[in-house]
Amino acid sequence: AQSVTQLGSHVSVSEGALVLLRCNYSSSVPPYLFWYVQYPNQGLQLLLKYTSAATLVKGINGFEAEFKKSETSFHLTKPSAHMSDAAEYFCAVSRGSTGFQKLVFGTGTRLLVSP
Amino acid sequence: NAGVTQTPKFRVLKTGQSMTLLCAQDMNHEYMYWYRQDPGMGLRLIHYSVGEGTTAKGEVPDGYNVSRLKKQNFLLGLESAAPSQTSVYFCASSYFHGRVMTEAFFGQGTRLTVV
Repeated sequence: AQSVTQLGSHVSVSEGALVLLRCNYSSSVPPYLFWYVQYPNQGLQLLLKYTSAATLVKGINGFEAEFKKSETSFHLTKPSAHMSDAAEYFCAVSRGSTGFQKLVFGTGTRLLVSP
Repeated sequence: NAGVTQTPKFRVLKTGQSMTLLCAQDMNHEYMYWYRQDPGMGLRLIHYSVGEGTTAKGEVPDGYNVSRLKKQNFLLGLESAAPSQTSVYFCASSYFHGRVMTEAFFGQGTRLTVV
């Protein structure tokens, strides 16, 4: 069964600083991996996804993530934080195979950005 | 396109009351899901559907029922609400790329309080 661990329920950065949100996965088969963002009182919006093509994935709003099989990681980064990046971020995994595959979510990391 | 629309957005129920949450998607997606989101627990799958007329249990199905009579609609019912069902409920839908399920698209959520 797949699972996801997000290290740190809260991460605080200053505006302009590097953003690093950590995600480690467990999967018995090659996974599909996703990062979602949730702004207050809204639904989840896809930031980026890894589906077994390029290991460095670029997403919206300047975010990117690198799939590292040897480390079973899919950390999310952004070179320079903006105030508008303050939100909750969820990593999710599914099995990249045919048929129904549910998304398994991590517990989320809240990103706080200070001026 | 509206994407995934949930109604209502907010609801307060008394213990023992019943209600139905409606989810509608206009993207012709095969798969639909109901999740609940609770602080520190991420999103947990309640029920899902892989097509019109089909439903299946997720991780936390107890106390809920679902129906998918039309492809675009997925209903979540609470027959006898309990305080433990106080949560934010999200509906999502997804599509296939080739024969593999890709990312999910989420509604804006329904905030339910059971008193």
